[in-house]
Amino acid sequence: GQNIDQPTEMTATEGAIVQINCTYQTSGFNGLFWYQQHAGEAPTFLSYNVLDGLEEKGRFSSFLSRSKGYSYLLLKELQMKDSASYLCAREKIIFGKGTRLHILP
Amino acid sequence: DGGITQSPKYLFRKEGQNVTLSCEQNLNHDAMYWYRQDPGQGLRLIYYSQIVNDFQKGDIAEGYSVSREKKESFPLTVTSAQKNPTAFYLCASRPGLAGGLYNEQFFGPGTRLTVL
Repeated sequence: GQNIDQPTEMTATEGAIVQINCTYQTSGFNGLFWYQQHAGEAPTFLSYNVLDGLEEKGRFSSFLSRSKGYSYLLLKELQMKDSASYLCAREKIIFGKGTRLHILP
Repeated sequence: DGGITQSPKYLFRKEGQNVTLSCEQNLNHDAMYWYRQDPGQGLRLIYYSQIVNDFQKGDIAEGYSVSREKKESFPLTVTSAQKNPTAFYLCASRPGLAGGLYNEQFFGPGTRLTVL
């Protein structure tokens, strides 16, 4: 891979807000994707950032800082169905290892 | 309906046998990809193809082979040379360069291969 780093696991409470960070090597960067993957299923697309700043889409937002090689996925008003792995991937489709998010009632 | 399909969903093989996983898409996408996912791990790129009759190795190509004779199809063969073939295999496609700078990758449902 090309050194995409994200936390392995996180835990949050239903109704709360959680931020999942992702860092990557900046050389040859074109854009960054976030995917959600429930256990045993294929990943589904959440967001794509190519410019700096925050992109909001309902309860999910994604932020990018190209100069810092940094992105985060922000999930608000957490629901039990948000328990999943969240994968960040850069253009050329190189994936991080994913962050398993556990939601507590 | 347009989409990307993989079959079968579950596949069992004996050690030492080659096995071919199918991936078909009717989205008219140029680019297709194969990933492997192990329990609790992210996706690792095996092979990808950006155009018919051309493909490149990903990070973990050893023990695998692919072909891209048709735009719609990108089969993956897991050979007996692959030391740990038991895994979840995901195929994906994207429009490619013709789709512009931003084009989302679409995933098939995956094939879970178990080698006994």
